[in-house]
Amino acid sequence: NAGVTQTPKFQVLKTGQSMTLQCAQDMNHEYMSWYRQDPGMGLRLIHYSVGAGITDQGEVPNGYNVSRSTTEDFPLRLLSAAPSQTSVYFCASRLTGGSGNTIYFGEGSWLTVV
Amino acid sequence: AQSVTQLGSHVSVSEGALVLLRCNYSSSVPPYLFWYVQYPNQGLQLLLKYTSAATLVKGINGFEAEFKKSETSFHLTKPSAHMSDAAEYFCAVSEQDYKLSFGAGTTVTVRA
Repeated sequence: NAGVTQTPKFQVLKTGQSMTLQCAQDMNHEYMSWYRQDPGMGLRLIHYSVGAGITDQGEVPNGYNVSRSTTEDFPLRLLSAAPSQTSVYFCASRLTGGSGNTIYFGEGSWLTVV
Repeated sequence: AQSVTQLGSHVSVSEGALVLLRCNYSSSVPPYLFWYVQYPNQGLQLLLKYTSAATLVKGINGFEAEFKKSETSFHLTKPSAHMSDAAEYFCAVSEQDYKLSFGAGTTVTVRA
């Protein structure tokens, strides 16, 4: 059981480039989300999804796109990378049966935009 | 709306001493509360969670937290710190919409 898998783990981009962070989970979780982590700010929600075909914005959605074509996958796209998007990105998933259900995190993707 | 405040961005304790990390929340409905730990260059691992079953919650690695509704607090404690407890700790709250809101985090250093 792999849990939540993120790729790549490390990436350096030039300003203006685009890329996709991949996230996959094998726990049949309906809810998936992307967070970014910046020093002194905790984790902030970028986008989330409660099932295939359903996505919504979180706290800091600007500059990011998502889609959810399958239950397993939830990729995060940076359309035109900016230095302000240098951060650590975490994908997470959970069951939607109750808000007390544990949310599981991937190992993180370290992104640097130069 | 929900929010989380962690008091103290850095805490330094001696090995064997009490670890106390403070977390206060605001929520319009009874919340679900979580503590996560993050070791350097790793993801987040669940320490414990409160889901209204009991106000004193025991977690992994000897940590526990007490939910106090009157104080809107969910402080994390460990009676005796170990060097391996050096990490960053995050308090988080969830209401009815499955999303987690995180505090800014508290970094714990343990002195030998």
